[in-house]
Amino acid sequence: GDSVTQMEGPVTLSEEAFLTINCTYTATGYPSLFWYVQYPGEGLQLLLKATKADDKGSNKGFEATYRKETTSFHLEKGSVQVSDSAVYFCALKDGGSTLGRLYFGRGTQLTVWP
Amino acid sequence: GAVVSQHPSRVICKSGTSVKIECRSLDFQATTMFWYRQFPKKSLMLMATSNEGSKATYEQGVEKDKFLINHASLTLSTLTVTSAHPEDSSFYICSAPISGRGNNEQFFGPGTRLTVL
Repeated sequence: GDSVTQMEGPVTLSEEAFLTINCTYTATGYPSLFWYVQYPGEGLQLLLKATKADDKGSNKGFEATYRKETTSFHLEKGSVQVSDSAVYFCALKDGGSTLGRLYFGRGTQLTVWP
Repeated sequence: GAVVSQHPSRVICKSGTSVKIECRSLDFQATTMFWYRQFPKKSLMLMATSNEGSKATYEQGVEKDKFLINHASLTLSTLTVTSAHPEDSSFYICSAPISGRGNNEQFFGPGTRLTVL
């Protein structure tokens, strides 16, 4: 079945450091891929998404590219800020479903120190 | 963007009592809502899919008699944890997709922290 494997945290970085959080997936067909972010005390928010191979999602300086050949969707940011401290979730949705469920990775806690 | 609210945000109850959690879509209609459970340092686990006007669809291993779901209107779904026990303590999150949106985006509620004593 569909699943997402996400790099385990926690990840601790200094401000302006480079960030990579690895995410790989298993799915039948052509899923859509997402990164969600959960700030302390808040609900999940969509950070970025990609719906087909080679698409690059980007938002707030974060990027992720849908790599079908490696079944990956790694999250990157060139220079993190203290305000980026949060839990990041990689997720996929089956391509054949219009209102379907999301499959989540375990989440990666990111802490950025000034 | 679209807003999904949950109430209460936090609840503490005694073992054996029932607790109702509400999930509302504030500025859009949701024929489908999803209920997730989030354990500490673990991913979100889908519990059930709530369908307006029909029975919820439960994931394997989720007790439908224990976690009652009612989707009474296009903007409200409720999850009732019946005869709660300490092992039911968790963070419960709902989400709702917007039908017709080509981007397939789902909007999440802020979650409800349940503690059963």
